[in-house]
Amino acid sequence: DAMVIQNPRYQVTQFGKPVTLSCSQTLNHNVMYWYQQKSSQAPKLLFHYYDKDFNNEADTPDNFQSRRPNTSFCFLDIRSPGLGDAAMYLCATSREGREMNTEAFFGQGTRLTVV
Amino acid sequence: ELKVEQNPLFLSMQEGKNYTIYCNYSTTSDRLYWYRQDPGKSLESLFVLLSNGAVKQEGRLMASLDTKARLSTLHITAAVHDLSATYFCAVGAGSYQLTFGKGTKLSVIP
Repeated sequence: DAMVIQNPRYQVTQFGKPVTLSCSQTLNHNVMYWYQQKSSQAPKLLFHYYDKDFNNEADTPDNFQSRRPNTSFCFLDIRSPGLGDAAMYLCATSREGREMNTEAFFGQGTRLTVV
Repeated sequence: ELKVEQNPLFLSMQEGKNYTIYCNYSTTSDRLYWYRQDPGKSLESLFVLLSNGAVKQEGRLMASLDTKARLSTLHITAAVHDLSATYFCAVGAGSYQLTFGKGTKLSVIP
């Protein structure tokens, strides 16, 4: 059974039209991440939530926002998508704490196309 | 700033041959991961390496970690076509966030 679920798998949006990608998890992990992966590149961390604490990477554009209403769900909002935002967006989760760092589990990804 | 370098970035190998992918990182790390990614798909976890000298094997793949040298290797034994994919190493150093290498695109040809 899928433990990190992303919806939709494929999203086509118009240039400048806000779009939201969603991620849910059944692992009860306290950390959720959003990565952007462009073609033939490594995943790039956009931001993450450690519990309710939001942590933005320094070079993440303001156009990208995130919400985590509860432990299970996390959303990626792109306020005004540009052609350069076309990419695979990967959600991941992990359990972090004093006792041990665990591996990150990735969802299936959402491939975003901007037209 | 943690830097992770993988080499080679592209690897074309014949079926049945052996090869090694290298992952170097720049600062002390407490964990290292190897992921596989098929075209258009997400990342699949292969190995988690948490201590110096750790060695893990799954099928034709074996991963090892040398924290003193800041080096991990992914060794492929007797490659088969099904192993064609992109392989990423990812390193965690002092925090729970991971830094990924650029990936090694492996093509196994008959």
